[in-house]
Amino acid sequence: AQRVTQPEKLLSVFKGAPVELKCNYSYSGSPELFWYVQYSRQRLQLLLRHISRESIKGFTADLNKGETSFHLKKPFAQEEDSAMYYCALSGGNYGGSQGNLIFGKGTKLSVKP
Amino acid sequence: DTEVTQTPKHLVMGMTNKKSLKCEQHMGHRAMYWYKQKAKKPPELMFVYSYEKLSINESVPSRFSPECPNSSLLNLHLHALQPEDSALYLCASSPSGDEQFFGPGTRLTVL
Repeated sequence: AQRVTQPEKLLSVFKGAPVELKCNYSYSGSPELFWYVQYSRQRLQLLLRHISRESIKGFTADLNKGETSFHLKKPFAQEEDSAMYYCALSGGNYGGSQGNLIFGKGTKLSVKP
Repeated sequence: DTEVTQTPKHLVMGMTNKKSLKCEQHMGHRAMYWYKQKAKKPPELMFVYSYEKLSINESVPSRFSPECPNSSLLNLHLHALQPEDSALYLCASSPSGDEQFFGPGTRLTVL
């Protein structure tokens, strides 16, 4: 079964501290993994995807197929990073059509001054 | 235009009303989606349209009726909703079925 697990509902860190938001997935094929972020009163937006292997706003995420993980990391958290973060998996074609996203339950990151 | 737009932003309706939510994108994306998001929960997929054809219906009750008039527009027709249908309804589009671009949502309240 396709599943995305984010074990932490809430993660609270101080400004300047490192942050790691955990994401584990279950999928039998070759998934595409994403991190989406939802700032307060803003739309859900893509933060990064594993294919691009880029750093966005200082965040990085590496796909570890052995551990089926896609943890999101940032070495020095900023207050403006406070938001809800969703890990999502795309299984590609679903029922012969454009794929759907399976979201984890989300982790709320709170960065304190 | 590189955004997904949704109207209205807010909607309050009674259980006997008929209303429609609208979604529009002009990015040439061929896949469009409807999601339902309850407070403090992740989005839940409702429908997927691919090349203007309904390809996925995630066992959504018939009181929700999607429509894709053309490649840029996606509607969600609502009829005889229940209070538990109150939620944020998100529209998204995708160029290739993986990365999705989300609209700001319509916050629906059913009285």
